[in-house]
Amino acid sequence: EDQVTQSPEALRLQEGESSSLNCSYTVSGLRGLFWYRQDPGKGPEFLFTLYSAGEEKEKERLKATLTKKESFLHITAPKPEDSATYLCAVQDVDSWGKLQFGAGTQVVVTP
Amino acid sequence: DAGITQSPRYKITETGRQVTLMCHQTWSHSYMFWYRQDLGHGLRLIYYSAAADITDKGEVPDGYVVSRSKTENFPLTLESATRSQTSVYFCASSAGIGYGYTFGSGTRLTVV
Repeated sequence: EDQVTQSPEALRLQEGESSSLNCSYTVSGLRGLFWYRQDPGKGPEFLFTLYSAGEEKEKERLKATLTKKESFLHITAPKPEDSATYLCAVQDVDSWGKLQFGAGTQVVVTP
Repeated sequence: DAGITQSPRYKITETGRQVTLMCHQTWSHSYMFWYRQDLGHGLRLIYYSAAADITDKGEVPDGYVVSRSKTENFPLTLESATRSQTSVYFCASSAGIGYGYTFGSGTRLTVV
């Protein structure tokens, strides 16, 4: 059974204080790993897809990396508008396109 | 407008009532999904559909029914609502295997 574990559950950062979120996963075969951002009262918003170990993707202050066992979402010099819950999800090669989500990391960035 | 639309945005219903949550997408995506999101459980898959007239159960299907007669619509029906079905429900669509999802804005359902 696919498993996705995100850590920490919550993270409080000062503006400009860089940090990383972790997503550990177990799948029979990875088709893709997905990062989403979710703001309160809204649906998750797609950020990145990573397909193979060693791959990296960047968007503004966010950078996602992937190994065979885990993914990291690095937040560089965060701003208050980066405050959100960040969700990680995996798609197994046997999953018919379904995503298995982690519980998320809630990030709060204070000025 | 292009996108994925859920309705209603908020719904309060009584225990035992039947309620249908609507989902409509304008991209002609093959895949559609229904998730529920609860504190402590994250997003859990209820049902999914790979194409019109093809649906299958997810992780937590009990008490729910879906249909997909048209590619663009994927309604979720709670046949006899229970308090444990109080949740936020998200519909999503995907172009296919290997692609991520685009989510709707969600329906907050309260069963009293």
